[in-house]
Amino acid sequence: AQSVTQLDSQVPVFEEAPVELRCNYSSSVSVYLFWYVQYPNQGLQLLLKYLSGSTLVKGINGFEAEFNKSQTSFHLRKPSVHISDTAEYFCAVSGGGQNFVFGPGTRLSVLP
Amino acid sequence: GAVVSQHPSRVICKSGTSVKIECRSLDFQATTMFWYRQFPKKSLMLMATSNEGSKATYEQGVEKDKFLINHASLTLSTLTVTSAHPEDSSFYICSAPSYSGLAGARLGDTQYFGPGTRLTVL
Repeated sequence: AQSVTQLDSQVPVFEEAPVELRCNYSSSVSVYLFWYVQYPNQGLQLLLKYLSGSTLVKGINGFEAEFNKSQTSFHLRKPSVHISDTAEYFCAVSGGGQNFVFGPGTRLSVLP
Repeated sequence: GAVVSQHPSRVICKSGTSVKIECRSLDFQATTMFWYRQFPKKSLMLMATSNEGSKATYEQGVEKDKFLINHASLTLSTLTVTSAHPEDSSFYICSAPSYSGLAGARLGDTQYFGPGTRLTVL
């Protein structure tokens, strides 16, 4: 079984500042890792995913994440955020099957 | 990329009525779809796995007689909330996986999510 922890429920940050959203997971098997973004009253949009290969993964909208197996982490980063990045961000893991396990989410609020 | 649609996007109904929510994969076939429920300011909780041509698989604690799932075709799954009550009010989201790698292989499936359906039961 897998589980996902997102330690920060809310992250306020000023516009053009860097941001890191933390994600840690636990699993007894190899996992695939994902970050999704959810804008208000909308479904989830895939930001990026790690399946294998390079541990630094680049996604859409300038986001990137780094898979760290020893620390069982997959933190999401962006060097300079915009107001439009304000949303809920979910980290998710999959054990290779079709079922995803989601973290509780982190609310990113970008302040002007 | 792959697109998943849901209909309706928002529904308000009276307590005791039944509500049907449709989930469609628009440009790919999905033998499996997933139904999630999201409470306000909470994460997504998997309710059930919808399988084309067979019965749905429900997660522990989800009443299968209350949340009826029918996977009518390779592009359509429906969730019917029967005899809805105010506590059923929630945001319901469906998803369908895409496949990476060789045909039949399931390597790091990416889930494509529908836009969600906001159900309010009065």
